[in-house]
Amino acid sequence: AQSVTQLDSHVSVSEGTPVLLRCNYSSSYSPSLFWYVQHPNKGLQLLLKYTSAATLVKGINGFEAEFKKSETSFHLTKPSAHMSDAAEYFCVVSDPGGKLIFGQGTELSVKP
Amino acid sequence: KAGVTQTPRYLIKTRGQQVTLSCSPISGHRSVSWYQQTPGQGLQFLFEYFSETQRNKGNFPGRFSGRQFSNSRSEMNVSTLELGDSALYLCASSLAGGTGQGWYEQYFGPGTRLTVT
Repeated sequence: AQSVTQLDSHVSVSEGTPVLLRCNYSSSYSPSLFWYVQHPNKGLQLLLKYTSAATLVKGINGFEAEFKKSETSFHLTKPSAHMSDAAEYFCVVSDPGGKLIFGQGTELSVKP
Repeated sequence: KAGVTQTPRYLIKTRGQQVTLSCSPISGHRSVSWYQQTPGQGLQFLFEYFSETQRNKGNFPGRFSGRQFSNSRSEMNVSTLELGDSALYLCASSLAGGTGQGWYEQYFGPGTRLTVT
């Protein structure tokens, strides 16, 4: 069975400093992994995806994630946080049938 | 291209009633999935429809049902509402959904906020 664990329920950073949101996964298959972002009162937006191509995946808005099979991790990073990055972030794994399995989410706060 | 639309955006119902939520996918998309989002349980998969057939189902009671029409629009129905059904219900559409052979991005709508009193 597939599952994801987001290691932090809340992360707070200062504007201009790096962002690290941690995610570990469990999968019986070669996984498809994603990061989604949800701004208040808005739907989910795909940030980036890993589907067994390059292990370093670049997404929108300067975010990137690295797939590390040996560590079963897929952490999301951004070199410099912006106020508009404040939102909830979800690490997601897809089961072979395409069903998305979400982590519990990490709320990112950005201080001026 | 218009995004995924969900109606209504907000809904208040009382226990025991039933409710129907609607989702219009992006034009050309044939797969529609439904998710429930609550503070306690997070985001959970309800079901997926593809070409009017339920292709995938999550672990929800039979009170939760859905259907898809020939134009790919989908409805979700919850009967005999319980307080615990209060949630944000999200719909997502994709070209073909999960096939086991490939992957198609799911685009999410803004959700319907259901409150059961």
